[in-house]
Amino acid sequence: DTGVSQDPRHKITKRGQNVTFRCDPISEHNRLYWYRQTLGQGPEFLTYFQNEAQLEKSRLLSDRFSAERPKGSFSTLEIQRTEQGDSAMYLCASSLLGQGYTDTQYFGPGTRLTVL
Amino acid sequence: GQQLNQSPQSMFIQEGEDVSMNCTSSSIFNTWLWYKQDPGEGPVLLIALYKAGELTSNGRLTAQFGITRKDSFLNISASIPSDVGIYFCAGSTSYNTDKLIFGTGTRLQVFP
Repeated sequence: DTGVSQDPRHKITKRGQNVTFRCDPISEHNRLYWYRQTLGQGPEFLTYFQNEAQLEKSRLLSDRFSAERPKGSFSTLEIQRTEQGDSAMYLCASSLLGQGYTDTQYFGPGTRLTVL
Repeated sequence: GQQLNQSPQSMFIQEGEDVSMNCTSSSIFNTWLWYKQDPGEGPVLLIALYKAGELTSNGRLTAQFGITRKDSFLNISASIPSDVGIYFCAGSTSYNTDKLIFGTGTRLQVFP
């Protein structure tokens, strides 16, 4: 399967703990995005990378959130000192930006976070 | 965060019926996308639109990029049970998709 993969698919944690999620984009895609989706809502943009550079961060991304894409391939999203309000589905997407490509975003299956 | 206005919020239809849903924005968008999401899964891309007035089909699905650049429509013909799910529109103000803004979703239920 050459689609976007995310790990883990589900994470249950206690309030105050740190969690880290991983996203592996479609091979050779140079752009990688993180979104958050709460129940009954559409996904909301958090941040995105072009290669290893983080180009934009949403105001939703508080200081407790950090994302990295160190080698321009996989990415990690860390949430420190989790709060119950962080409970959501965290979605990763990737796209290929370049001449002749339309930069269409393809999503992974998501990581469902539950903070108790 | 900002979300697009999508309607209807939910639809309950009989198998074989046609379905229409739309998405509107107060801002001009340069890219419109339609995704389908099943419970517990990520959104799956259905159709991508890149030019105002563009009409694109994917099997029984047809989507249009509104001429005003502030709306988009998705039609599903001859619905089948596997069409059940939540349909989201998404748009970008740039010609590259970068930050997508999503609609509130249309939940579709198909009865045999």
